[in-house]
Amino acid sequence: QVLLQESGPGPVKPSETLSLTCTVSGGSIRAYFWSWIRQPPGKGLEWIGYISYSGSTNYNPSLKSRVTISVDTSKNQFSLNLNSVTAADTAIYYCANRVDGDYGHWFDPWGQGTLVTVSS
Amino acid sequence: DIQMTQSPSFVSAFVGDRVTITCRANQGISRWLAWYQQKPGKAPKLLIYGTSNLQSGVPSRFSGSGSGTDFTLTISSLQPEDFATYYCQQANNFPLTFGGGTKVEIK
Repeated sequence: QVLLQESGPGPVKPSETLSLTCTVSGGSIRAYFWSWIRQPPGKGLEWIGYISYSGSTNYNPSLKSRVTISVDTSKNQFSLNLNSVTAADTAIYYCANRVDGDYGHWFDPWGQGTLVTVSS
Repeated sequence: DIQMTQSPSFVSAFVGDRVTITCRANQGISRWLAWYQQKPGKAPKLLIYGTSNLQSGVPSRFSGSGSGTDFTLTISSLQPEDFATYYCQQANNFPLTFGGGTKVEIK
């Protein structure tokens, strides 16, 4: 059973870079595609982007200029960097496995999520 | 981007009620739709993929239907553990997008 766990340094100041890591356990990161999704407090879900184990990426155009997702197969981890953050980037950030099937792409399982607050 | 619109945004229902949630895409997505359940303080949980395929372990009182632009999630007999927020997600085009959510609350 694949489990995902987000980790990060905590609050971020405006204009700085948000950095999070997702650790995959119970399975190999080489087997799937991996995504980041965020949810502002009390609001809906926004897909940020995905990465494959080989490093191919696809980002949401709304964030593309500020986002980098990377993978470290030796640690079974993938990471999110979001630069030039503002208060609008305050959200719960989830990592998730992107499942590909006959009916497209969906997310399962998800990490528990980590709240990142952007504040001076 | 494909926009997903859910209705209603809020449902108040009794235990045992039949509840139907609608999700509409602004362009055709065939049957490429997933549904998630999110309880307070928890991550979303996959319920249904491919419009009508139940994820392993999901109770059979949940069902999905639709095609093209209009989709429904039905809970045939609402149970106490079903009170949550439900999201649809189009699984067809990048960027993958979600509906705004439907919160199901106890009446």
